[in-house]
Amino acid sequence: AQSVAQPEDQVNVAEGNPLTVKCTYSVSGNPYLFWYVQYPNRGLQFLLKYITGDNLVKGSYGFEAEFNKSQTSFHLKKPSALVSDSALYFCAVRDGNTDKLIFGTGTRLQVFP
Amino acid sequence: GAVVSQHPSWVICKSGTSVKIECRSLDFQATTMFWYRQFPKQSLMLMATSNEGSKATYEQGVEKDKFLINHASLTLSTLTVTSAHPEDSSFYICSAPYPWTGGNQPQHFGDGTRLSIL
Repeated sequence: AQSVAQPEDQVNVAEGNPLTVKCTYSVSGNPYLFWYVQYPNRGLQFLLKYITGDNLVKGSYGFEAEFNKSQTSFHLKKPSALVSDSALYFCAVRDGNTDKLIFGTGTRLQVFP
Repeated sequence: GAVVSQHPSWVICKSGTSVKIECRSLDFQATTMFWYRQFPKQSLMLMATSNEGSKATYEQGVEKDKFLINHASLTLSTLTVTSAHPEDSSFYICSAPYPWTGGNQPQHFGDGTRLSIL
C-alpha cells in the first residue's frame, strides 16, 4: 500500500533562514508525489509535484523539493523563509492508478521574525 | 486556473439537523470529486469518492447513510450530513482532479466547510 510519512509535527525556523520539511514515501511502482499547503480555515493549495524527470522540482512561492529515490524521500525546501510561510504543510502520494491522494500527517511550519 | 468552490464556508446548527455542503468545479468538468474530513490539528481523511452519474464510493468505516453524496452534474457534488450530532463537527473539504489527469496533475481543493453541531 502507498503511504507517506512526515516525521516532524512542527518545524520552527527564523525568517531569512533556509527551511526543510521532511517527507518519506512508500509506494509500489513509480511515485507521484505532491506538496500542499493549508492556511487556517482554508482548503489545500498545491505547491509542487514530482512525476518524473529532474529530481529537484521547483514550485510556487519559492518552494522546491528534492526527490531522492534511494532514500525514498521528497523533502520540501526553501532557501529563505518568510513569516508568511507559516502554515500547515502536507506531503501526498497518488494511490495506485486512481486519482486518490494519500496524505501525510502534516507538518506545522512556524517562521519567527 | 481551475477553481473549486465550496459552500457554505461555515455552518452552526442544532443537533438533529441535516446539513448540505456543495462543491462546484467552476471552469472545468469533474466526473470525480473527493470528500475529506479533517479534525483539528490532524491530516485529511478521505471519506468518499463522488462519481458523476453513479453511486459514491465510500472509504472503510464511513457511514454512507450518515454522509449522503450526490454528484448529479459534471460540476456539482453535494455532501449531506444527515441528522448531525456534535461528533460530526469537523472541517469538511472537497477536491476535484483536473480532467484527463492520469494522476499526474494536482487536485484542486475547495476552501472547506467548518461544521459545528450544538
